[in-house]
Amino acid sequence: SQTIHQWPATLVQPVGSPLSLECTVEGTSNPNLYWYRQAAGRGLQLLFYSVVIGQISSEVPQNLSASRPQDRQFILSSKKLLLSDSGFYLCAWNTLRGGAGELFFGEGSRLTVL
Amino acid sequence: AQSVAQPEDQVNVAEGNPLTVKCTYSVSGNPYLFWYVQYPNRGLQFLLKYITGDNLVKGSYGFEAEFNKSQTSFHLKKPSALVSDSALYFCAVRDPGSARQLTFGSGTQLTVLP
Repeated sequence: SQTIHQWPATLVQPVGSPLSLECTVEGTSNPNLYWYRQAAGRGLQLLFYSVVIGQISSEVPQNLSASRPQDRQFILSSKKLLLSDSGFYLCAWNTLRGGAGELFFGEGSRLTVL
Repeated sequence: AQSVAQPEDQVNVAEGNPLTVKCTYSVSGNPYLFWYVQYPNRGLQFLLKYITGDNLVKGSYGFEAEFNKSQTSFHLKKPSALVSDSALYFCAVRDPGSARQLTFGSGTQLTVLP
């Protein structure tokens, strides 16, 4: 069965510091990978997605970047965090091969920028 | 374009009573529809999906959803609510005829009162 791992679960960082959130998927190959942010409140904002290794699509301009160094690894980064980067970050994966394309989410990373 | 609306930010229901969480959608073709649940500080969990066929879809934890094409709705239901059902619920839609990703609603906070 497929699993998705996301870490760290909680992170407190000062403004101006770098960020690296990691996500890995096991039990499948060539997944589509996604980073979402959920700000205080509830809405999900799609930040980045990748359908193949080395290719990243950005949905909104921002202080963050994403990379996919391996097929099942997705990394969210920032060189200098802003207060507005605080939020709950969710990694997800799906496949459109023979299915409806439902997303499967990691447990999330809570980032607080002080 | 595809979109989904959850008209209620908050739904309160007494334990043991039936619950309904509303969702309406807009896509150009036949939709794929999904429901997810999110507990505090956790990732989204997939509950159920509609692709085609029977309009009543059964999912995890006793939840079901009814697809109504004429009303473009996909309401989530459960015959008898539990306190443990209290959580944030998201509806999502995907147009299978396009390469677009899932579009999520804004979420509905369900509170089941003991």
